[in-house]
Amino acid sequence: DAGVTQSPTHLIKTRGQHVTLRCSPISGHKSVSWYQQVLGQGPQFIFQYYEKEERGRGNFPDRFSARQFPNYSSELNVNALLLGDSALYLCASSLGQGQGNTEAFFGQGTRLTVV
Amino acid sequence: KNQVEQSPQSLIILEGKNCTLQCNYTVSPFSNLRWYKQDTGRGPVSLTIMTFSENTKSNGRYTATLDADTKQSSLHITASQLSDSASYICVVSARDSSYKLIFGSGTRLLVRP
Repeated sequence: DAGVTQSPTHLIKTRGQHVTLRCSPISGHKSVSWYQQVLGQGPQFIFQYYEKEERGRGNFPDRFSARQFPNYSSELNVNALLLGDSALYLCASSLGQGQGNTEAFFGQGTRLTVV
Repeated sequence: KNQVEQSPQSLIILEGKNCTLQCNYTVSPFSNLRWYKQDTGRGPVSLTIMTFSENTKSNGRYTATLDADTKQSSLHITASQLSDSASYICVVSARDSSYKLIFGSGTRLLVRP
């Protein structure tokens, strides 16, 4: 059974551009969460989706948006990229609605570099 | 404010030696505490999950302890191996409507031959 898959694995973008990151959860998992991890720090929560609805949002600007599709895969979109958006973007899937009351499985992340 | 603090920030040990990583948290109400191992540039992988009633939990050479009264946890690694070189992240879940995960900044462990 495949784990959480994210694409692409690496990405280089220019300031001002937009980017779309993709995540496919473990089969049967209905919850997807997105995290941003800057080098040397722990992951910071961006969004959580459960059953195609947004269930939580972290302290990120409106340039960040996401959605979840009927097959429970998810996209994270970032507009007007800034140098500070350079980070490892992690996707986690879980069975339950809450991030913390069920096991969370992480993908290997998308490394975004903004130049 | 819900926070998770880890110490030390980084640690270097020789292969075969033991080490202990610390985690203090102020998350309330508490749901569970997790330790993750994260290799450089990869996603975190779960090592243990402990609820309020659990004091200790082992996963191979990894043993986690939890003192819910003092809000402290530790991760003990026995007979370290080169493959243990990674960041170890303490994560606490708040038992609120979102069951949000609150991450520490991690301890970066380097095991040398």
